[in-house]
Amino acid sequence: EDKVVQSPLSLVVHEGDTVTLNCSYEVTNFRSLLWYKQEKKAPTFLFMLTSSGIEKKSGRLSSILDKKELFSILNITATQTGDSAIYLCAVGASGGSNYKLTFGKGTLLTVNP
Amino acid sequence: GAVVSQHPSWVICKSGTSVKIECRSLDFQATTMFWYRQFPKQSLMLMATSNEGSKATYEQGVEKDKFLINHASLTLSTLTVTSAHPEDSSFYICSAGPGEQFFGPGTRLTVL
Repeated sequence: EDKVVQSPLSLVVHEGDTVTLNCSYEVTNFRSLLWYKQEKKAPTFLFMLTSSGIEKKSGRLSSILDKKELFSILNITATQTGDSAIYLCAVGASGGSNYKLTFGKGTLLTVNP
Repeated sequence: GAVVSQHPSWVICKSGTSVKIECRSLDFQATTMFWYRQFPKQSLMLMATSNEGSKATYEQGVEKDKFLINHASLTLSTLTVTSAHPEDSSFYICSAGPGEQFFGPGTRLTVL
């Protein structure tokens, strides 16, 4: 059974801090790892990673994948209160003719002013 | 990014009734769409994979006769919760995408 484990499950920081969120996985037929941010409604897409060692960056957020060690990290620098959300890691894998995502439980990030 | 819409965004129904939720890909064609359920303070759980023109593939533990999925066109998949009960109350989300998955805004179902 495919498994995605995120840590920590929750994190409280102050504005301006830098945070690192972790995601490890065990899947068969890995195709991609995705990060999402979920506030009140459905998740919004952040990054998709398919290759090891290539950092993806968007503003203060960055992410990298290690396919040998089977993990990814999501970094957020100079955090703001608007970064408060649940961050979900999902791994896409092929099963037969299907491609499906398995989600971790998420990391609840709270950024205090 | 790709746009996925869902309708309705929220619905309240009586126990025993059926509820249909629509998922549309607005600017691309989707041969495959995914349906998830999310209970409060929990992560997304994949319910089923909706395949255009063929039967859906259900995850273990999901009753296919209760959660009917129809993917009649390349831009529309529907999920019907039949004979809904209070324990079916949840946040239902669909996703689709030409590459990475984009999510619809979700449908909050409350069964009284």
